[in-house]
Amino acid sequence: QKEVEQDPGPLSVPEGAIVSLNCTYSNSAFQYFMWYRQYSRKGPELLMYTYSSGNKEDGRFTAQVDKSSKYISLFIRDSQPSDSATYLCAMKGETSGSRLTFGEGTQLTVNP
Amino acid sequence: GAGVSQSPSNKVTEKGKDVELRCDPISGHTALYWYRQSLGQGLEFLIYFQGNSAPDKSGLPSDRFSAERTGGSVSTLTIQRTQQEDSAVYLCASSRGVRTDTQYFGPGTRLTVL
Repeated sequence: QKEVEQDPGPLSVPEGAIVSLNCTYSNSAFQYFMWYRQYSRKGPELLMYTYSSGNKEDGRFTAQVDKSSKYISLFIRDSQPSDSATYLCAMKGETSGSRLTFGEGTQLTVNP
Repeated sequence: GAGVSQSPSNKVTEKGKDVELRCDPISGHTALYWYRQSLGQGLEFLIYFQGNSAPDKSGLPSDRFSAERTGGSVSTLTIQRTQQEDSAVYLCASSRGVRTDTQYFGPGTRLTVL
């Protein structure tokens, strides 16, 4: 079983829709949670960074972490065609040094 | 400023050949990481450098894989006697420090082993 599970999709939505992306994890030591966006043939770029449980909002993006359920989410409001990309969740613990453990990534297409 | 750069962007090689992949981190970043991205596998951690030393190389899949970093800057990932299962995108990232610092990724090197 993978440490981080993420539905690979693909997910296709109309422009303006609210998108919900999720990951579950098994390692209770994870404390830092990230969402990366990766366009085709590019490297991942950091979207959101959250420590421990709670919500964080940045523009159209909201990240939620529920450590009791070992579940994290990324919501995209008013989705745009430019949001079409693969979204990767990543996490690490205090004792895992610097290595990030990634989900498989969810491929999202926003149709105009 | 300049981001993380990697070269070559694409590499096609024959099974059994050795390959070298290069990473230039963001200037001033002390930590450097190598990951591998395969279809259906997501990103897998390979090795991490703090300065020129590698405190964690536990992700290297076999002894055919090695990496070095010189001058606290450029890093080279070497794969000896390449196999078809080594085909993947190899991504490099750097961060200012460790623990909570953000990792910035390069565009990757797409390796194809025929």
